[in-house]
Order: sequence, then C-alpha cells, then structure tokens
Amino acid sequence: SQQGEEDPQALSIQEGENATMNCSYKTSINNLQWYRQNSGRGLVHLILIRSNEREKHSGRLRVTLDTSKKSSSLLITASRAADTASYFCATDAWGNTPLVFGKGTRLSVIA
Amino acid sequence: GAGVSQTPSNKVTEKGKYVELRCDPISGHTALYWYRQSLGQGPEFLIYFQGTGAADDSGLPNDRFFAVRPEGSVSTLKIQRTERGDSAVYLCASSLKSGRDQETQYFGPGTRLLVL
Repeated sequence: SQQGEEDPQALSIQEGENATMNCSYKTSINNLQWYRQNSGRGLVHLILIRSNEREKHSGRLRVTLDTSKKSSSLLITASRAADTASYFCATDAWGNTPLVFGKGTRLSVIA
Repeated sequence: GAGVSQTPSNKVTEKGKYVELRCDPISGHTALYWYRQSLGQGPEFLIYFQGTGAADDSGLPNDRFFAVRPEGSVSTLKIQRTERGDSAVYLCASSLKSGRDQETQYFGPGTRLLVL
C-alpha cells in the first residue's frame, strides 16, 4: 500500500520557472525523503527532512514539512531541462520500518 | 565510491520459470531493502535485511518470492513459478543503518523483469 500522495500527478513548466510539488501522508512519520527518478530506473536521493524539522534547503531545492497537516512540499527554483523526471516522496515511521512511497509527480521542464 | 549495483539490468523469462535477481549494496551498509515498482506507480516495499537476517518480509506478495543475504552483503531475490503479473522493475537499496536512526537509502539502477 502507498502512504504518500503527490500532487500534482504531472507538471509542465518553462525553463527558469519554479516547480512546486506537494506530498500528503496518512500516519505519523520519523523522516520524509524526496527522490528523483529518470526513465523509470534508479532513484536518486534529493533530501531528507526529519519530523522535528520544518524546512530544509539543498542548492535549488527547498523542502518544507508540516506534521500537523501531514504534508510536505518540494520547491525547485530556476528549473532546468535536466530537472525533467519523476519526483517521489517517501516516509518512514519510528522503529524498523521501510520507506513508503507515493505515486510520484512527473515534472517536464521545457527549454 | 561504488554505488548499489544490480544484475541483470533486464531479464526476460517465460511464465512458470524461476529467476534470481542480484543486489550488491554499498560496502559497509548493514541495511538492504528490496522494492518493486510497476509502471506509473511508486516503489513498493518487499523485504529488508539488517545484516544477514530478514528483519521485515511483510511486503513479499506470496511464497513464490524469497530473498537471502547469507554473508550480510550481497542479496539475491528469488522468484519461483513466475507469473505475468510479476513483471516490474525490482529495485534494491542500502543504507548505513536502519531503525530509529535510519539513514538515507541509496538505490541501485534496478532490474527490469518481463514475464512473457
């Protein structure tokens, strides 16, 4: 079963614009992570935010976490064509639990 | 250093056959995870190992699926009597540790399995 739900399912923007993707989840979490996937193959880890953190930055990425609303957002600023990929949020709960992924957002950045 | 590697990259088999998928985790990573991803979906958990033992195999869909990690490093996912519904990309990931202080999971490129 999948816990996270990304929104929107698909997003198309022009190069240079900002892209915002949202993720909602159902149960209490320990960490929330964002991954990128190109062409349906290996996932690349982007950023991890812990349940006691509210915001985190990494380069052009900004992630927020609102545990009261059980939601997170990923902002990619000044997007590039190379950012075209599927983006997944994944959560893990306290204790020995695996990652639970959403269905992903397909981002297309048009040059 | 080397990342997670998986072999083969692609596997085509016939319904009813047996297949083995291999995962080489990052050296020193004690936790190893298997996920399965169907087209248009996110990865779904199958099983994870902490060292040599399967700490959680609740994601395995049925008893045709089995995985081992005999020396706490390389892992093999085994599927018996394959069915067309087993067609998917099988992803392996490893992390430095698991549990409360879980670290980032690093994924391999996956094995694309097609059952005809």
